[in-house]
Amino acid sequence: EADIYQTPRYLVIGTGKKITLECSQTMGHDKMYWYQQDPGMELHLIHYSYGVNSTEKGDLSSESTVSRIRTEHFPLTLESARPSHTSQYLCASRPDRGYEQYFGPGTRLTVT
Amino acid sequence: AQKITQTQPGMFVQEKEAVTLDCTYDTSDPSYGLFWYKQPSSGEMIFLIYQGSYDQQNATEGRYSLNFQKARKSANLVISASQLGDSAMYFCAMWRSGNMLTFGGGTRLMVKP
Repeated sequence: EADIYQTPRYLVIGTGKKITLECSQTMGHDKMYWYQQDPGMELHLIHYSYGVNSTEKGDLSSESTVSRIRTEHFPLTLESARPSHTSQYLCASRPDRGYEQYFGPGTRLTVT
Repeated sequence: AQKITQTQPGMFVQEKEAVTLDCTYDTSDPSYGLFWYKQPSSGEMIFLIYQGSYDQQNATEGRYSLNFQKARKSANLVISASQLGDSAMYFCAMWRSGNMLTFGGGTRLMVKP
């Protein structure tokens, strides 16, 4: 069983607020990823990291930012939330050997 | 560029019967890997099965098997003896260079009692 956690699981917040979605893993994985998923749709990669102090933008342009100060943490921040940011955000990690990505439970964000 | 296509947006299957979920892919990389993930209504992504492009045999994991046809660029998931708990979204994904995944649009499977 993968040990990757996301908080909060659900978040309803007003427009203009700053939010941070937390993601942490206890497996010591260097590679971590953030995906955005609208209901019933495919996952889109928005950010990834290959290790501490490494962050890159993914396939889908996003107004969010990420940081990787510690191996186990990969938080995602929205400086000013908008209704268009309403979506599910999934965090994942993978070991250096093997290809499987382990996913967290996701955060369902609603911006009103 | 890599692309994953799942042409069945929704499917029904009778409990205890087998079902095949289709996945076709497009890539110019000689080395790649294909995954299937299950996503229940709770939202988490559950890894089901993996097939590497150089694997000689089709992957199997319990009731799940992957029908890999390299020449046709297809990687269909076969679920045998469907259970009510199999009702979920199923995503096909492909590993690509840079250790990233490209996902298909998903298939919603509904198991009828």
